[in-house]
Amino acid sequence: EVQLVQSGGGLVQPGGSLRLSCEVSGFTSSLYWMYWVRQAPGKGLEWVANIDRDGGDKRYADSVKGRFTISRDGAKNSLFLQMNSLRVEDTAVYYCARDGSGVSPDFDYWGQGSLVTVSS
Amino acid sequence: QSVLTQPPSVSAAPGQKVTISCTGSSSNVGSNHVSWYYQLPGTAPKLLIYDNSVRPSGIPDRFSGSKSGTSGTLVITGLQTGDEADYYCGTWDSSLNGYVFGTGTKVIVL
Repeated sequence: EVQLVQSGGGLVQPGGSLRLSCEVSGFTSSLYWMYWVRQAPGKGLEWVANIDRDGGDKRYADSVKGRFTISRDGAKNSLFLQMNSLRVEDTAVYYCARDGSGVSPDFDYWGQGSLVTVSS
Repeated sequence: QSVLTQPPSVSAAPGQKVTISCTGSSSNVGSNHVSWYYQLPGTAPKLLIYDNSVRPSGIPDRFSGSKSGTSGTLVITGLQTGDEADYYCGTWDSSLNGYVFGTGTKVIVL
């Protein structure tokens, strides 16, 4: 059974840092691109970052570029999102997701979500 | 802000049909395949349709997708109360070099 289990959310002050983790099981993670997607309270979905199969290609939304870093550890079957210089507007539920590798990206499995609250 | 436009809400009675549009541009919907997701309150989104019209295993054939030019469409037939949820389209944007989602549509079963 494919599972993506997230950890690491919480409350942080503006300017602070937080690291999200996403441990996957039920599939060989190194065969898939992986993504982070977030959803601010009461708002829609927003792509945050993605990483290719071996971690060499990483892309970021302009809203987080230079502050967030996506990474993966194949040996631990884990995906990470290091978030620095956090802003109030980064408050959201963050989801990790697997790209199901159709012709275009599509997210066939999702983590349960991690709430990140940035507030003083 | 989202670059793909969806109607804020659609509604119909049980058993009826609803159609949700997803309008983009040549750099996203016009040149890449569209996926559709649905999301119940407080839960993670789930994949409904990928590659414009393909249903993942377990998704009933009441859900169908299509694409024409720079617009994608999701059709739900035989509407059920359990279909009340938020629906999002998404695709890759070749100009932004990132994934873009639609604005989201709330399906209301009357």
